[in-house]
Amino acid sequence: AQSVTQPDIHITVSEGASLELRCNYSYGATPYLFWYVQSPGQGLQLLLKYFSGDTLVQGIKGFEAEFKRSQSSFNLRKPSVHWSDAAEYFCAVGVNQAGTALIFGKGTTLSVSS
Amino acid sequence: EAQVTQNPRYLITVTGKKLTVTCSQNMNHEYMSWYRQDPGLGLRQIYYSMNVEVTDKGDVPEGYKVSRKEKRNFPLILESPSPNQTSLYFCASRISGGTYEQYFGPGTRLTVT
Repeated sequence: AQSVTQPDIHITVSEGASLELRCNYSYGATPYLFWYVQSPGQGLQLLLKYFSGDTLVQGIKGFEAEFKRSQSSFNLRKPSVHWSDAAEYFCAVGVNQAGTALIFGKGTTLSVSS
Repeated sequence: EAQVTQNPRYLITVTGKKLTVTCSQNMNHEYMSWYRQDPGLGLRQIYYSMNVEVTDKGDVPEGYKVSRKEKRNFPLILESPSPNQTSLYFCASRISGGTYEQYFGPGTRLTVT
């Protein structure tokens, strides 16, 4: 069955340090991959997406993610974290299955320390 | 502005009192869906609709109903809410087929006492 795993429930990073959030997926075909961010009390905002082509994709707010087919991974990175990046991050895979168009991971909460 | 709207944004109700959460999109999307978000569980799909008058169950449909009489609207109905339906609810829409990118509403926080 299709699934998305975000191994880290909670990560704390110092402001200005680099960030990597992990995401692994299980899906037989070529996946459509997404990262969403949810700031406290807010809805879901799309950070970036991968459909095909260049495996390194750029998103908003200085985020990027790299698709690695051999590792079934789509990790999110940012070179220098800002305090405003504190939020919950969700990885999702789009599947070609009636109804379950997006399967989400359980999320990673990012805290930023000063 | 292209958007998905939900109302109400916050709702506190009592067990057994029927309620409806509305969802509307202005992007002419065929596909709409409802998710609930619970701590440690991420987002789980409740119901979805591929088009007008076409709806089907997602992963956690128990206790919910939906209808799709117009393309733009997809209300979520809880006919007899229970405390285990206390959650954050999101409506989303997208075009059919394509890349499955969904556009989310702002969320409705429901508390059932």
